[in-house]
Amino acid sequence: NAGVMQNPRHLVRRRGQEARLRCSPMKGHSHVYWYRQLPEEGLKFMVYLQKENIIDESGMPKERFSAEFPKEGPSILRIQQVVRGDSAAYFCASSAIGTAYEQYFGPGTRLTVT
Amino acid sequence: DAKTTQPPSMDCAEGRAANLPCNHSTISGNEYVYWYRQIHSQGPQYIIHGLKNNETNEMASLIITEDRKSSTLILPHATLRDTAVYYCIVFLTGANSKLTFGKGITLSVRP
Repeated sequence: NAGVMQNPRHLVRRRGQEARLRCSPMKGHSHVYWYRQLPEEGLKFMVYLQKENIIDESGMPKERFSAEFPKEGPSILRIQQVVRGDSAAYFCASSAIGTAYEQYFGPGTRLTVT
Repeated sequence: DAKTTQPPSMDCAEGRAANLPCNHSTISGNEYVYWYRQIHSQGPQYIIHGLKNNETNEMASLIITEDRKSSTLILPHATLRDTAVYYCIVFLTGANSKLTFGKGITLSVRP
């Protein structure tokens, strides 16, 4: 059973460009969570999605960030007009039920904004 | 904000038991205690969770005090690969799906 997959693993963007981060949950999991880890800091929750629905986006910055989890395909975290402060590791997790019970994390995408 | 308190770091010798403490004095009756760890540059890894009773799995044991105000994660035979940041998280399953990570405790296993 493949684990949570994220791609790309490393992403370099210039200021002002768009970043698209992808997350494929574990087989059978329909709940996806995105977390961000700034350098030398802990993980911070961003958003929780079920298929086609955003359940909790209380941790998402109000501007430039959006997330989706379509009926088919991976979950996408999109960051528009990236700035240097967006440089971080972005982790996706998935679970089989709608709680944090045994969230399984992917390897992360490391975004560097130059 | 995280509702747990952990020492910033500890170390132990390879092959010995590592006992990682966590204080959660404000835990409510139906909140679980979860432990995750993050090995350098990797995604967090679920270890174990419990409510009241002690729990054991292939990775670790979780000892929760009777008043539930603190707990200890035990790695029975630490290896170098157990060097990581360990997070203790209290969580109300079903009501809030986001994990709130604090600073965790950095465990260094020495040869």
